[in-house]
Amino acid sequence: EIVLTQSPGTLCLSPGERATLSCRASQSVSSSYLAWYQQKPGQAPRLLIYGASSRATGIPDRFSGSGSGTDFTLTISRLEPEDFAVYYCQQYGSSPALTFGGGTKVEIK
Amino acid sequence: QLQLQESGPGLVKPSETLSLTCTVSGGSITSSTDFWGWIRQPPGKGLEWIGSMYYSGSSYYNPSLKSRVTISVDTSKNQFSLRLSSVTAEDTAVYYCARTPITMVRGIMVLHWFDPWGQGTLVTVSS
Repeated sequence: EIVLTQSPGTLCLSPGERATLSCRASQSVSSSYLAWYQQKPGQAPRLLIYGASSRATGIPDRFSGSGSGTDFTLTISRLEPEDFAVYYCQQYGSSPALTFGGGTKVEIK
Repeated sequence: QLQLQESGPGLVKPSETLSLTCTVSGGSITSSTDFWGWIRQPPGKGLEWIGSMYYSGSSYYNPSLKSRVTISVDTSKNQFSLRLSSVTAEDTAVYYCARTPITMVRGIMVLHWFDPWGQGTLVTVSS
């Protein structure tokens, strides 16, 4: 099983600032099969990024994903008020054993 | 627009079986490019994949839950279901259903990401 470790656990930033979230895998994720999700309180997760860097339909271009192998990054270029939420990474490189990271909370400073 | 909706009891007694159904609308559960799955989230905690199933019956389960989980599909109702046996308080969680697109790689179905998700349903295990 591939274990995903997200850091930091909590990120305190102000609107307009840049957010950089990390997802590190315990072994290489083949074909960059990594996705990112956003979850707001009381809501289901929403797909943001798949294939490490491809934005899902309707996702603003301030969200970008990068990385390969064991290190992946989600970047929010300029935080909007609606971006304060919890973000999860998920790997599917070892399909069918699908795993999620523990999450990073982005909160208002 | 594809939509998923979970339904089922919100309270289950310890040692009993949790049963949930996910109804798919705006698309067919017999899609050749999709698996259908369940994910759960204990209160205040992270996400855990439970398992996923193809309409023909092929299924994959999280090894940590495999002995207690059954996922089934009812193509006539465009629904799929989750059964989790011998539940304990640790199974208390919000349960989500979701679609997983797949690709074929050297004859093997490779599961991808989860999209869209149902709104989720809280199941509490308590006597």
